[in-house]
Amino acid sequence: GAVVSQHPSWVICKSGTSVKIECRSLDFQATTMFWYRQFPKQSLMLMATSNEGSKATYEQGVEKDKFLINHASLTLSTLTVTSAHPEDSSFYICSAPPGTRSSYEQYFGPGTRLTVT
Amino acid sequence: QKEVEQNSGPLSVPEGAIASLNCTYSDRVSQSFFWYRQYSGKSPELIMSIYSNGDKEDGRFTAQLNKASQYVSLLIRDSQPSDSATYLCAVNDGNYGQNFVFGPGTRLSVLP
Repeated sequence: GAVVSQHPSWVICKSGTSVKIECRSLDFQATTMFWYRQFPKQSLMLMATSNEGSKATYEQGVEKDKFLINHASLTLSTLTVTSAHPEDSSFYICSAPPGTRSSYEQYFGPGTRLTVT
Repeated sequence: QKEVEQNSGPLSVPEGAIASLNCTYSDRVSQSFFWYRQYSGKSPELIMSIYSNGDKEDGRFTAQLNKASQYVSLLIRDSQPSDSATYLCAVNDGNYGQNFVFGPGTRLSVLP
């Protein structure tokens, strides 16, 4: 399967600061990447769709000014959590589809665990 | 609101038994269906994809799809303790759309 990496794997930050999470497709190009958030014992919730060269599409209820997404190249998307608060503590996971017409599979990065103190 | 539902867990089966996981979805135009396995503290791992009605087998895993009933299932034969995880059903949002809608997951425990 395709390989997606994320960095960092975990981060602890103070309330009010910003945190940047990187998502990279290592062996394929991804015009689209997805950002999910998962709270303990809950399923994945799609936050936004990151599109290379254009603005991200945010799901209802997700603040676009708080969760800044930049898809600067075909292999890199970044999620910046601005002015983080303890309620933003969660497991953030990105995914990317390899994009071949015959496959609509998505491959997930290993996730980033964010703790805001 | 497009929904994906899964049988509530946790599901416990003895080692060597067949584990049956079920999923129903609300969006009739969905065409792509996926099963992911997620170990505690880890991200989801794709284990099966299915696009056509019927059965698809891959090793000990069999996915079954019935679009008329809007139902997809996953059977795990000869269950092993290493299969203990949460299984997530994912359905694409719309006709070959890339967005996924995930079910809440079913936690499976395989008892040695």
